[in-house]
Amino acid sequence: GQQVMQIPQYQHVQEGEDFTTYCNSSTTLSNIQWYKQRPGGHPVFLIQLVKSGEVKKQKRLTFQFGEAKKNSSLHITATQTTDVGTYFCAGRIGNQGGKLIFGQGTELSVKP
Amino acid sequence: DAGVIQSPRHEVTEMGQEVTLRCKPISGHNSLFWYRQTMMRGLELLIYFNNNVPIDDSGMPEDRFSAKMPNASFSTLKIQPSEPRDSAVYFCASSFFQAGGQETQYFGPGTRLLVL
Repeated sequence: GQQVMQIPQYQHVQEGEDFTTYCNSSTTLSNIQWYKQRPGGHPVFLIQLVKSGEVKKQKRLTFQFGEAKKNSSLHITATQTTDVGTYFCAGRIGNQGGKLIFGQGTELSVKP
Repeated sequence: DAGVIQSPRHEVTEMGQEVTLRCKPISGHNSLFWYRQTMMRGLELLIYFNNNVPIDDSGMPEDRFSAKMPNASFSTLKIQPSEPRDSAVYFCASSFFQAGGQETQYFGPGTRLLVL
């Protein structure tokens, strides 16, 4: 079936280092969303990318959507302890209504 | 807005017992999703509804699981009988779906289920 693969599963960084997580889909996506889940919390929407090659920024976070609309990345510059959590990508396939296919998530830990 | 409301927040039960999880979506949303999250399997979509109608239940593990949405403001996920392997966090999420839309999902706080 359709899958969204996300790597790495875990990432441990020193505060101030950069962090990147990658998503790859087996199927062309109509759009992709990114969510953040803090430890013990629930996923919270961060951003949505729709256009091929789209790049969006939120302060230290940069999101990219690949040209083929099959891959995406989230890059955090100069991580802070507040960035700790699990980051999920979630892809939407055009003919499946509101259904999102979530990646496995990347758990980020930041050492002060 | 109160956001998506789930109850109970925590549930501990014994194997074989029936478990009912409840969800109240955000008012005005027309899509509702039930997810299960475990360390081993990550975040899995169990079932989702559009306008109270189940659209895709291919993620429901087996016949022990059932979900209903009798009206736009309430949904239940029932496990009968429960088994230890059902222990997980169950999230409900809602969104406002329009054809061709780009809606986001709003998650509830989750129900942490432990089956002994």
